[in-house]
Amino acid sequence: DAGVIQSPRHEVTEMGQEVTLRCKPISGHDYLFWYRQTMMRGLELLIYFNNNVPIDDSGMPEDRFSAKMPNASFSTLKIQPSEPRDSAVYFCASSLATGDYYEQYFGPGTRLTVT
Amino acid sequence: AQSVTQLDSHVSVSEGTPVLLRCNYSSSYSPSLFWYVQHPNKGLQLLLKYTSAATLVKGINGFEAEFKKSETSFHLTKPSAHMSDAAEYFCVVNTDKLIFGTGTRLQVFP
Repeated sequence: DAGVIQSPRHEVTEMGQEVTLRCKPISGHDYLFWYRQTMMRGLELLIYFNNNVPIDDSGMPEDRFSAKMPNASFSTLKIQPSEPRDSAVYFCASSLATGDYYEQYFGPGTRLTVT
Repeated sequence: AQSVTQLDSHVSVSEGTPVLLRCNYSSSYSPSLFWYVQHPNKGLQLLLKYTSAATLVKGINGFEAEFKKSETSFHLTKPSAHMSDAAEYFCVVNTDKLIFGTGTRLQVFP
């Protein structure tokens, strides 16, 4: 199994631009999570899906952030417009409902820099 | 509200010596607790988990943790550190979602 796949691995963009981060969960997993990691705030859960349906988006910072999961094998996290304070590492993770929900498998992350 | 506190932001040990990474939790009921490890430029990996079974939990790579309710602690230990153990370690408590501690960076010197 290839594990959780995220793209791009690095993204550098200018303030005001739209940014789209992509995630492919492990095949067969039915939970998908988006996290953000910064030095100041540590690791924060942004949103999670179960069977492609958003369950809890209370961690999404503001309306500039949106996430979709159009099918079981793909999710996007979009920031529009981006701001320098959005600079962080964004992780996607997936898990299996019939297994251990808390054994989340993390992707390698996307390092976003907004200048 | 549930939370975890990792008492050390950095820990340095020599290879072959014991490792102790400290974590205290706050919970109004018996929590589920986890340790995750993050190697440089990698995602997080589950190291071990406590879910109200045995209080001494064994994980991967020789790590173990002991749940002590009287001390509200869940410290991570390893008898002998390897160079490959150098990483960031996160103590995590479960509510309806995972709440991560601020992390402890472990350095291992030869």
